[in-house]
Amino acid sequence: QKEVEQNSGPLSVPEGAIASLNCTYSDRGSQSFFWYRQYSGKSPELIMFIYSNGDKEDGRFTAQLNKASQYVSLLIRDSQPSDSATYLCAVNNPYNTDKLIFGTGTRLQVFP
Amino acid sequence: KAGVTQTPRYLIKTRGQQVTLSCSPISGHRSVSWYQQTPGQGLQFLFEYFSETQRNKGNFPGRFSGRQFSNSRSEMNVSTLELGDSALYLCASSLGRSGNTGELFFGEGSRLTVL
Repeated sequence: QKEVEQNSGPLSVPEGAIASLNCTYSDRGSQSFFWYRQYSGKSPELIMFIYSNGDKEDGRFTAQLNKASQYVSLLIRDSQPSDSATYLCAVNNPYNTDKLIFGTGTRLQVFP
Repeated sequence: KAGVTQTPRYLIKTRGQQVTLSCSPISGHRSVSWYQQTPGQGLQFLFEYFSETQRNKGNFPGRFSGRQFSNSRSEMNVSTLELGDSALYLCASSLGRSGNTGELFFGEGSRLTVL
């Protein structure tokens, strides 16, 4: 079982729709959860982080965390073609591995 | 504020050679992490350096090594290159330990091709 799992996609959504990106992790002691966005040919950049169960909103982005289910998701409202990228989920357990473990990413395509 | 700088950006080597990649972190950042990115495996953690000490290491063979200098600049070295080492090598800097902050700033990467 991979430590952090994501569906590789591509996830195709029409412009203006909600894109839902999901991530599961195996280390129950994980404490911190991050979403990075990587445009084709570019390096990853941090867009969201969440530490507590529930939702965290930042503009069009909402991160959702459910530690009991070991599940974290990213919702992108009013998706735009400029949101087309690969979204990487990253997880950390400072009491165990103490390093960021990345999933392989989900490729999102937003079509006009 | 300058970002993370990696050199060289592209390089081609042959099997058996060795390669050294360089990373200059954002000014004031003390942690440098290295990742290997391939289409099939995604971002794989290589190692992290903080205050000139290796703090963490991923599951890579001993052919992969690194170091950090007093100015926080870091180098990684791969000896006896294999075809499977072809990848994008990303360096990321952070203020503190990556495990604490989670906020990594990535360089543009060094794309290594092994023939």
